[in-house]
Amino acid sequence: NAGVTQTPKFQVLKTGQSMTLQCAQDMNHEYMSWYRQDPGMGLRLIHYSVGAGITDQGEVPNGYNVSRSTTEDFPLRLLSAAPSQTSVYFCASSPGLDLQETQYFGPGTRLLVL
Amino acid sequence: GDSVTQMEGPVTLSEEAFLTINCTYTATGYPSLFWYVQYPGEGLQLLLKATKADDKGSNKGFEATYRKETTSFHLEKGSVQVSDSAVYFCALKDNNDMRFGAGTRLTVKP
Repeated sequence: NAGVTQTPKFQVLKTGQSMTLQCAQDMNHEYMSWYRQDPGMGLRLIHYSVGAGITDQGEVPNGYNVSRSTTEDFPLRLLSAAPSQTSVYFCASSPGLDLQETQYFGPGTRLLVL
Repeated sequence: GDSVTQMEGPVTLSEEAFLTINCTYTATGYPSLFWYVQYPGEGLQLLLKATKADDKGSNKGFEATYRKETTSFHLEKGSVQVSDSAVYFCALKDNNDMRFGAGTRLTVKP
């Protein structure tokens, strides 16, 4: 199994540009999520999905869209990038919603918005 | 809302020293508690977890006990190694919501 994969590893955008961060998992996990990691703030949940066709907002959803058309893929879209979205983005998945289930993280995408 | 507070770093120790990283939490329900570790350039990896009060999670010589009375989940290791140098995150999961602490950077010198 490849686990959780993310592309690209690094991206530079200009303010106002759009892009999609890709996330895929091959473990047949129902739950997937996106986090951003900023210095001194740990990880903050952006959006999550409990299964194909179902998404919901996390702690910091503004400026981001998600969709979940398949169990495997959970892309994160930035419609109009802002410098405040400069961050490292992590995708994660877990088998289900049970509190005992642990999450598996991808290697991250480093995004710089100029 | 739910939150996690962990001790600020960075923490610098000599090899074989004792490690404690403090973590306290605030939650309305009965969360599961986790410690994750992040090595340079990598994503987070689960280090250990505890799902109910008085549970002790352990892995690779690290331990943490879920203390409901003090709302704490402190990470300990009796003898650290250079290879333990990383950033450690305390986290809680309550229903669909997962909250992380800010992270504590540990550097172990030979």
